[in-house]
Amino acid sequence: EVQLVESGGVVVQPGGSLRLSCAASGFSFDDYSMHWVRQAPGRGLEWVSLIDWDSGNTYYADFVKGRFTISRDNNKNSLYLDMSSLRPEDTALYYCAKDKFYYGSDNYYDYAMDVWGQGTTVTVSS
Amino acid sequence: DIQMTQSPYSLSASVGDKVTITCQASQDIKNYLNWYQQKPGKTPKLLIRAASKSEPGVPSRFSGSGSGTVFTFTITSLQPEDIAAYHCQQYENVPITFGQGTRLEIK
Repeated sequence: EVQLVESGGVVVQPGGSLRLSCAASGFSFDDYSMHWVRQAPGRGLEWVSLIDWDSGNTYYADFVKGRFTISRDNNKNSLYLDMSSLRPEDTALYYCAKDKFYYGSDNYYDYAMDVWGQGTTVTVSS
Repeated sequence: DIQMTQSPYSLSASVGDKVTITCQASQDIKNYLNWYQQKPGKTPKLLIRAASKSEPGVPSRFSGSGSGTVFTFTITSLQPEDIAAYHCQQYENVPITFGQGTRLEIK
């Protein structure tokens, strides 16, 4: 079974730092790009970041650029999001998501998220 | 960044109704648009990719159309289990962006 399990979400003070993790299983992790997407309470989905299969390319939403860093360890089938300079508006449920298309396929850059974890909650509050 | 504007923000319809949601891009995104369904308390599910290609197992009452800047998501005969939020997402350019979502409820 393809599965993603996030962890690391906590309550943190403004200006603080945090690392989120996502453990992947049931698929060839190192063949796929991976995403972080967040959802504030009662709000829509916000794409946060993307890393390609071999970490060669990373991309960020403007609102996290310079504060968040995405990384992965293909030997551990794990995805990470290092978050710093946290703001109250970063409060959200953070999902990791697998991209649909594997590296080498014709549609590799047709970014679509076909498997989602259950999310981990980050609360930024004093 | 490409802005995605979804309408309506919320929608109430009766079982059996045809429901239409629109997503407008701030610039031409060709057909690089996906639709997701998110049932209450659940994770998003990819329904349609590339504007009109349904994912395996998605009921035929769900469809998508459009290209360029205006896209439409349609449920031809609303069922009680379709209660959810629906989100569009563009991938023509990074950063990837979502619409604000449409909340669908049954009358």
